[in-house]
Amino acid sequence: AQTVTQSQPEMSVQEAETVTLSCTYDTSENNYYLFWYKQPPSRQMILVIRQEAYKQQNATENRFSVNFQKAAKSFSLKISDSQLGDTAMYFCASTQGGSEKLVFGKGTKLTVNP
Amino acid sequence: KAGVTQTPRYLIKTRGQQVTLSCSPISGHRSVSWYQQTPGQGLQFLFEYFSETQRNKGNFPGRFSGRQFSNSRSEMNVSTLELGDSALYLCASSLTSPSGGDTQYFGPGTRLTVL
Repeated sequence: AQTVTQSQPEMSVQEAETVTLSCTYDTSENNYYLFWYKQPPSRQMILVIRQEAYKQQNATENRFSVNFQKAAKSFSLKISDSQLGDTAMYFCASTQGGSEKLVFGKGTKLTVNP
Repeated sequence: KAGVTQTPRYLIKTRGQQVTLSCSPISGHRSVSWYQQTPGQGLQFLFEYFSETQRNKGNFPGRFSGRQFSNSRSEMNVSTLELGDSALYLCASSLTSPSGGDTQYFGPGTRLTVL
């Protein structure tokens, strides 16, 4: 069964600093996709970034970037210039080939302090 | 473009009752998935529908069922409610492609409380 592991239940960072959230996954598939979603206190799940496993180039979206290490099955999220609005639960997720089904990690609660 | 909408947003039921939750996907999206979120189990996949057909099903009892209509709107039903069914139920829609992996966009969720 596909699994996603987030080893950091909680993290905190000072405003304007950089923080990295860890994620590892286990899959036997060759074709899969990886995602980071954030869930602020409003509980609305918001896409942060998407990575296609067949692409070696790391995805970036403004202040958010990933470090995708396919052989190590690692998919970490780096947030640069952290802002108070980044405070949220962050979930790492992966899909199985040919499916939209998402398997989620347990999440990392990130707090950005002023 | 309007996002994914879910109704109702909040629901309180008693044990033994049944409940129906509704989800309207983003216009043009043909795939709808449902997830259950609880503090103990986290986010768990319930099922996925595409073109009115269930394409994937998670590991939930038969009390949990769903369907999709020709306009891609989806409903999920939970019969004989148990206290453990209290959760946030999230619906997500995507364009979908044969290879899968399309980004899923989530609705605001329905908070179900079973007393």
